[in-house]
Amino acid sequence: SQQGEEDPQALSIQEGENATMNCSYKTSINNLQWYRQNSGRGLVHLILIRSNEREKHSGRLRVTLDTSKKSSSLLITASRAADTASYFCATAKGDNYGQNFVFGPGTRLSVLP
Amino acid sequence: DAGVIQSPRHEVTEMGQEVTLRCKPISGHNSLFWYRQTMMRGLELLIYFNNNVPIDDSGMPEDRFSAKMPNASFSTLKIQPSEPRDSAVYFCASLPSLGPRTDTQYFGPGTRLTVL
Repeated sequence: SQQGEEDPQALSIQEGENATMNCSYKTSINNLQWYRQNSGRGLVHLILIRSNEREKHSGRLRVTLDTSKKSSSLLITASRAADTASYFCATAKGDNYGQNFVFGPGTRLSVLP
Repeated sequence: DAGVIQSPRHEVTEMGQEVTLRCKPISGHNSLFWYRQTMMRGLELLIYFNNNVPIDDSGMPEDRFSAKMPNASFSTLKIQPSEPRDSAVYFCASLPSLGPRTDTQYFGPGTRLTVL
């Protein structure tokens, strides 16, 4: 099964509301990252949280990490129509050569105007 | 910087034909990743290189798939012979070796492959 799995698979909210997406993983990690993908485009990095961090903020984004539960959440506050996209979590585990990343299936977020 | 460059952006081919996808990573990045994205399977890591050396190719689905990185500025993913089930969007991503964002992958725009 996949290392990172997002929940829910799809989320539809009204503009101005908050959106929360969750990610669960199975093995130890160095860090966990969230990416956004607009339709027909490549993924864009949003935020990274390291295994020794519990919470991180970037603008309207807030990420939490609970290594005991092997889970993370991404909160987007005051959502906008432009936030409509798919959101992926990716877990990174380093080795002697570099980083190996595993992406979850993603959450499709629709923000309705 | 122009970012990660992939070509072609779209490729339509017939079953049995050879397909070559190309990627130019961001200058100075020393890790390169090839991914495949489909609705059914999501985003799958196919192979990744570090300093032009293939490190993990366990995601390459079959012997029909091969990837090379002859130098730090160029990589190819080849499918020979192609099959309809190879239809997907193929992404290339690179990762810097130095600096504050060494854990951030930079994705190219992808190549949409359709095998008829």
